[in-house]
Amino acid sequence: GEDVEQSLFLSVREGDSSVINCTYTDSSSTYLYWYKQEPGAGLQLLTYIFSNMDMKQDQRLTVLLNKKDKHLSLRIADTQTGDSAIYFCAESKPSNTGKLIFGQGTTLQVKP
Amino acid sequence: NAGVTQTPKFQVLKTGQSMTLQCAQDMNHNSMYWYRQDPGMGLRLIYYSASEGTTDKGEVPNGYNVSRLNKREFSLRLESAAPSQTSVYFCASSEGASGGARDTQYFGPGTRLTVL
Repeated sequence: GEDVEQSLFLSVREGDSSVINCTYTDSSSTYLYWYKQEPGAGLQLLTYIFSNMDMKQDQRLTVLLNKKDKHLSLRIADTQTGDSAIYFCAESKPSNTGKLIFGQGTTLQVKP
Repeated sequence: NAGVTQTPKFQVLKTGQSMTLQCAQDMNHNSMYWYRQDPGMGLRLIYYSASEGTTDKGEVPNGYNVSRLNKREFSLRLESAAPSQTSVYFCASSEGASGGARDTQYFGPGTRLTVL
């Protein structure tokens, strides 16, 4: 199957940590991505992780990958109001097409 | 470097009208994609072009045609627009179609299309 699932909505207070979760079904996925979409804008690549890694950290962002459970998470430390956006996870697979499979997106609301 | 550009930004059509959405990238990418985004449905792939001279159907190709004009440009055509095609359309490109990090896609700002 090619389903990538995300919860639709998350609300946090400014300064708290946010954790956005994603599950995927295809164990042959090679790379997993997190994209951010601000209102009225296109998708911006945040980070990606290779499937043989467990964790990747980039400043306030931490990506955790549990390959056994096919579970991916994005943790944003010290969440700011500017982090309010829709976050998409996506997977790529060994192929010659470059296609990515996207989740439905998680809307993150950061309250002051 | 402009990245991925799309024109127009907004468009209103009447049912049955036709139009072409333009997309260009200046990153010398091999692969290009057209998506539509509808509320609660994420991104759905309409058509893609893994390399210059090739195009393939994605998840929702009905009602659309595409042209990979050259390496830089990939256009999406609606021959007879329908209200169900009201959506936000995104173009994206990636360096290569190899199943690796070169699959990282870069997106344009989108075209907001309303069909009345």
